[in-house]
Amino acid sequence: EVHLVESGGTLVQPGGSLTLSCVASDFSVSSDYMTWVRQVPGQGLEWVSVIYPGGSTYYADSVKGRFTISRHNSKNTLYLQMGSLRTEDTAIYSCARGRRSGYYGVEYFDSWGQGTLVSVS
Amino acid sequence: DIVMTQSPAVLSVSLGARATINCKSSQSLLQSANNQNYLAWYQRKPGQPPRLLIYLASTRDSGVPDRFSGSGSGTDFTLTISSLQAEDVALYYCQQYYNSPPTFGQGTKLEI
Repeated sequence: EVHLVESGGTLVQPGGSLTLSCVASDFSVSSDYMTWVRQVPGQGLEWVSVIYPGGSTYYADSVKGRFTISRHNSKNTLYLQMGSLRTEDTAIYSCARGRRSGYYGVEYFDSWGQGTLVSVS
Repeated sequence: DIVMTQSPAVLSVSLGARATINCKSSQSLLQSANNQNYLAWYQRKPGQPPRLLIYLASTRDSGVPDRFSGSGSGTDFTLTISSLQAEDVALYYCQQYYNSPPTFGQGTKLEI
C-alpha cells in the first residue's frame, strides 16, 4: 500500500530556514509527479511545488525563489527546502503523489501524507 | 490562476438521503482535444489525509463506493452521494488540474 510520511516541521523565526522530508513506501518518488501542498489550519489547500519524473521543478509564485523541491531516489524521499520564511508560510505541509490524465493538464493527487506543521513566528 | 468556488460551505443531510455539493470554476475545465474535464474531488476526514474520490469529473478512484458520483462539464460540477452513510461525514474539496497551478475549492463540510 502506498504510504507517505512527512517530517521536519517545527517552529522557526521569520527569515529562517527549514527542510521538510517525505518518505515514500511501495512506489518510487522518481517515477511520479511528487508534490507539496500546504493548508493553513481552517483554510483551503494551496499547491506549493512539484518535481516531475524527469527532474523539472515548478513553484507557486508565493514561494518561488525561496523554496526548493528535490528528491533522493535511493532513499525514496522527497524534500522541500524552505528559506526566507515568512509568517504567511505557517501551514501544514503535505506531500502528495500526482497523477495525470493523459497528455493534457497538470496533476491530481491519488495519495497524500498526514502532513507536518510549520509555524513561522 | 483558476478560482474554484464550492457551495454550500456547510451541508446538513439526513442518513440515507442524497447529498449534493457544487463546484464552479472561473474558466472552463473542458479540454477540447479529448472532451475531458480536468476536475477531481477529495474527501478529508479529521486526522486523515485527503482521499481521492473522483477524477476526470466523473471517474471513481479504485475502491470508492458507487454511492459517490461526479458530474458536470465546463465550469459547473457536482459531487453527489446517493445515500448518505455516517462514515461520509467529512470535508469535501474539488480541484482543477486543467492548467498550472492546480487549485482547490475552499471545501464543503458535510454533516448529519
